[in-house]
Amino acid sequence: QQQVKQSPQSLIVQKGGISIINCAYENTAFDYFPWYQQFPGKGPALLIAIRPDVSEKKEGRFTISFNKSAKQFSLHIMDSQPGDSATYFCAASKAAGNKLTFGGGTRVLVKP
Amino acid sequence: DTAVSQTPKYLVTQMGNDKSIKCEQNLGHDTMYWYKQDSKKFLKIMFSYNNKELIINETVPNRFSPKSPDKAHLNLHINSLELGDSAVYFCASSRRLAGDSDTQYFGPGTRLTVL
Repeated sequence: QQQVKQSPQSLIVQKGGISIINCAYENTAFDYFPWYQQFPGKGPALLIAIRPDVSEKKEGRFTISFNKSAKQFSLHIMDSQPGDSATYFCAASKAAGNKLTFGGGTRVLVKP
Repeated sequence: DTAVSQTPKYLVTQMGNDKSIKCEQNLGHDTMYWYKQDSKKFLKIMFSYNNKELIINETVPNRFSPKSPDKAHLNLHINSLELGDSAVYFCASSRRLAGDSDTQYFGPGTRLTVL
């Protein structure tokens, strides 16, 4: 049973466009929702994270939107750049558990 | 200056062999993890250790045995390797904050290929 479902699997966007990746979770005990960015041949690296007490968090061109009632959260990449081309993973965990459950990943390609 | 390092980066071996992957972190973190990333890029936690003590074991076959000699090191030993073990294995570490979750820092990965 996949506890965190991520879509789409892949995404092509033009430079300057907006990339949107969606995730849905099932376990209402989750209360920490990070997004990780992974470049080919590298390990995942934390991009941005949110807790359910806020509905939106923005860091530079990256924004997380969180809808607790729908059990969904999304990543928006504004003004997408070719350097943003990577695989993005959403994840979720329970406080004090530190066990991250990952979504299936979205491969983003930003065309110049 | 590498925060989480793994060796080797690539490992090619025959079915039935035993192999080990080493992980070290210099971040002073208390908690370390092993993740497996399959060919479809799906990432799944295998083990977690806190201060050398096993705290998460995600029903991984007992052919996989993690060993933590100290809190900066977490090694993964795999016995009787099978074709299905081919994957990229990531080590990660984080601080352990009571009642909270903290950033996990991942190593560069070890690509294991079983022939």
